[in-house]
Amino acid sequence: GAVVSQHPSRVICKSGTSVKIECRSLDFQATTMFWYRQFPKQSLMLMATSNEGSKATYEQGVEKDKFLINHASLTLSTLTVTSAHPEDSSFYICSAREGLLGNTIYFGEGSWLTVV
Amino acid sequence: RKEVEQDPGPFNVPEGATVAFNCTYSNSASQSFFWYRQDCRKEPKLLMSVYSSGNEDGRFTAQLNRASQYISLLIRDSKLSDSATYLCVVSDTGRRALTFGSGTRLQVQP
Repeated sequence: GAVVSQHPSRVICKSGTSVKIECRSLDFQATTMFWYRQFPKQSLMLMATSNEGSKATYEQGVEKDKFLINHASLTLSTLTVTSAHPEDSSFYICSAREGLLGNTIYFGEGSWLTVV
Repeated sequence: RKEVEQDPGPFNVPEGATVAFNCTYSNSASQSFFWYRQDCRKEPKLLMSVYSSGNEDGRFTAQLNRASQYISLLIRDSKLSDSATYLCVVSDTGRRALTFGSGTRLQVQP
């Protein structure tokens, strides 16, 4: 079945550095991908919607210059956390919708980011 | 007010018990409704979609009341493996992203 692969699953970085997280759809074309963030004991919060070949749409309160999203192909979207700070430590998870009209959303395994 | 509200729990129940979770949503434009299950430090996994007529999948029954903007999940004959956080999720046709509730934690005890 359809699978979304997310990498890395865990990353520790120093404050001030940048970290890139990849989200790949393995056997389907994902026109739209979504990036979520989840802090401990809280809900998944949508950060941005990524559309292949166009700029991402960010949710209110999410800094687009800090969380760079690139969706250059139908199978890959990347999230780069720039100049990371300890408060950016969180669980980041992507999801992908198959095709333009697909109703099923597939989730990646998530990435745990710890900024020290 | 949160878009999707759930009782955070935790619900501590013995094996074999029946447990019900409730959820309310604020966006009347919501068109699709789901229950997801999330295990500790893992990604959420779809448990079941929720249809207006109500639907059942084995021990799990989901109900939707559009007039009251209310969704429920009933788990019968609880198993130890049902221990997880249950997320109420809605989606509207416009944005087509999923909006998650904060989840209700279930702990089934032997």
